Amino acid sequence: AQSVTQLDSQVPVFEEAPVELRCNYSSSVSVYLFWYVQYPNQGLQLLLKYLSGSTLVESINGFEAEFNKSQTSFHLRKPSVHISDTAEYFCAVPARTGFQKLVFGTGTRLLVSP
Amino acid sequence: DVKVTQSSRYLVKRTGEKVFLECVQDMDHENMFWYRQDPGLGLRLIYFSYDVKMKEKGDIPEGYSVSREKKERFSLILESASTNQTSMYLCASSLSTVYGYTFGSGTRLTVV
Repeated sequence: AQSVTQLDSQVPVFEEAPVELRCNYSSSVSVYLFWYVQYPNQGLQLLLKYLSGSTLVESINGFEAEFNKSQTSFHLRKPSVHISDTAEYFCAVPARTGFQKLVFGTGTRLLVSP
Repeated sequence: DVKVTQSSRYLVKRTGEKVFLECVQDMDHENMFWYRQDPGLGLRLIYFSYDVKMKEKGDIPEGYSVSREKKERFSLILESASTNQTSMYLCASSLSTVYGYTFGSGTRLTVV
């Protein structure tokens, strides 16, 4: 079964600084990969996903993630964060090929301060 | 946009009560899921359903049951609520894993 590791439980950063949130998954086979964001007191929203093709995917609010098959990673980056990016971020992969379940990481809380 | 609606944002229940958490989606998705979210543990799958009247246990089904009588509605039932079931409960639906999930806003349940 697949698993997802988010090593950083919390990442504090100053506004306008760059940030990287790390995600590693357990298998080197081709997978779908997702990043979700959860703002305070809300459900999760899909931020971006990798299905195939270009290994660099982007979201509409300036985040990007790069699929690295050799390192089994899908790190999330943003070159300049805003206060409004303060949220919890979850990486997810399908549990197994052909199954409809997603496995989620334990989440990384991004804290942006002025 | 797909909408997943959870009937309550906040609930407070007493130990031993039977609790129903309701979830409705409006886009004809086959797959629906119930997760609980706890600090430091991320999201853990309780039950999921891939069709009407079909259900499968997730990773932590003990103390819970589910019902899916109609495609759009997936209910989570706490047969006898306990304090260790105090948590945020998230419902989600999907057409296929390829498209990811759409989540509801969550129900924060407190059992006292």
